[in-house]
Amino acid sequence: DAKTTQPPSMDCAEGRAANLPCNHSTISGNEYVYWYRQIHSQGPQYIIHGLKNNETNEMASLIITEDRKSSTLILPHATLRDTAVYYCIVRANYNTDKLIFGTGTRLQVFP
Amino acid sequence: DSGVTQTPKHLITATGQRVTLRCSPRSGDLSVYWYQQSLDQGLQFLIQYYNGEERAKGNILERFSAQQFPDLHSELNLSSLELGDSALYFCASSASGTGGLEFFGPGTRLTVL
Repeated sequence: DAKTTQPPSMDCAEGRAANLPCNHSTISGNEYVYWYRQIHSQGPQYIIHGLKNNETNEMASLIITEDRKSSTLILPHATLRDTAVYYCIVRANYNTDKLIFGTGTRLQVFP
Repeated sequence: DSGVTQTPKHLITATGQRVTLRCSPRSGDLSVYWYQQSLDQGLQFLIQYYNGEERAKGNILERFSAQQFPDLHSELNLSSLELGDSALYFCASSASGTGGLEFFGPGTRLTVL
């Protein structure tokens, strides 16, 4: 699996957009970018994933650079409940099923 | 609520003992994954089952074993417990066995005294 690099921590004011970066410079052409988050000690929660096009769902947007070497997860209007550890994971969809979690980014949303 | 259930929620036991953690996947999901999260190791993949068969193995100790039953629920057995086995154990399920979205349960917190 390709490795990812994320900043260990970030702060964001409530109501503002939170932009969480991820570097995955060794990503292969068939590998997807997944984002999960873990609130306190709860089970990780799926947020979004993409291959090369930008993706948006009700939770977030995922922007992947054209060369696919990095991506940004955007929470458009962060709330206090978005305080969590965010994990960026890359993996192929065909033969590597397991998620390999790195250390993630601890996002603190403040009032 | 992810639809994945795990029991028990908390478990306190002594070193040398054996425990069983149980996981019920989301309805229709064939794949079950087990992860361990300790303070100094982060989330570590242990093992995956797909429709009753072992599919992938991670850093699972020989003292640990798992199985998936015909009704698709899974059990993780931990034996000869050591203090270092204290951790959160998460189960996840997905519809397919090849990179489908995993949905995680609430976890079982194991404390070994």
